[in-house]
Amino acid sequence: DAKTTQPPSMDCAEGRAANLPCNHSTISGNEYVYWYRQIHSQGPQYIIHGLKNNETNEMASLIITEDRKSSTLILPHATLRDTAVYYCIVRPGFYNQGGKLIFGQGTELSVKP
Amino acid sequence: KAGVTQTPRYLIKTRGQQVTLSCSPISGHRSVSWYQQTPGQGLQFLFEYFSETQRNKGNFPGRFSGRQFSNSRSEMNVSTLELGDSALYLCASSLETGGRNEQFFGPGTRLTVL
Repeated sequence: DAKTTQPPSMDCAEGRAANLPCNHSTISGNEYVYWYRQIHSQGPQYIIHGLKNNETNEMASLIITEDRKSSTLILPHATLRDTAVYYCIVRPGFYNQGGKLIFGQGTELSVKP
Repeated sequence: KAGVTQTPRYLIKTRGQQVTLSCSPISGHRSVSWYQQTPGQGLQFLFEYFSETQRNKGNFPGRFSGRQFSNSRSEMNVSTLELGDSALYLCASSLETGGRNEQFFGPGTRLTVL
């Protein structure tokens, strides 16, 4: 399974865009990039995932570089409720490789007023 | 649509006892995965069940086991509890197995072993 590298912590001002980077330089062709977040002591919350194209949903945008070795999660207008630990995960896409998620240490995002 | 539910939410046991945790997936989801979260080790994968079969297993001792029923509900069991088993146990469900399918997590069961 490809490993990911994220900064341990980041700050963001409320109302500004939060850009969370992730390095996954050993990603292989069939691996998806997933983002989850976890607010203290709650279950992780799914945010977004993608394979090679940029993706957007109601929560966030995911920008994947052309070589797929890194990605950025963008929260366009961060609020205090976005304060959480954000995890970037790569997962094999094949059916027979199962569905496990390998969590790293994540990035602790603090949104400040 | 109701989310993933886990019961009980909190549990206190003593060393040597065993415990069973329950997970009800989102309606229509056939894959259930279990994770353990501790302050020292973070979030770690325990096992995944799909169509009543264990598809994948993490690096945990045999004291940790699970099963899935025909209605996709799942249980995990920990026997001979140790102090280090104190953790938040999380269950996640997805429509199918494999990386194309996002997993949705429940609120977790907080287990304390005394």
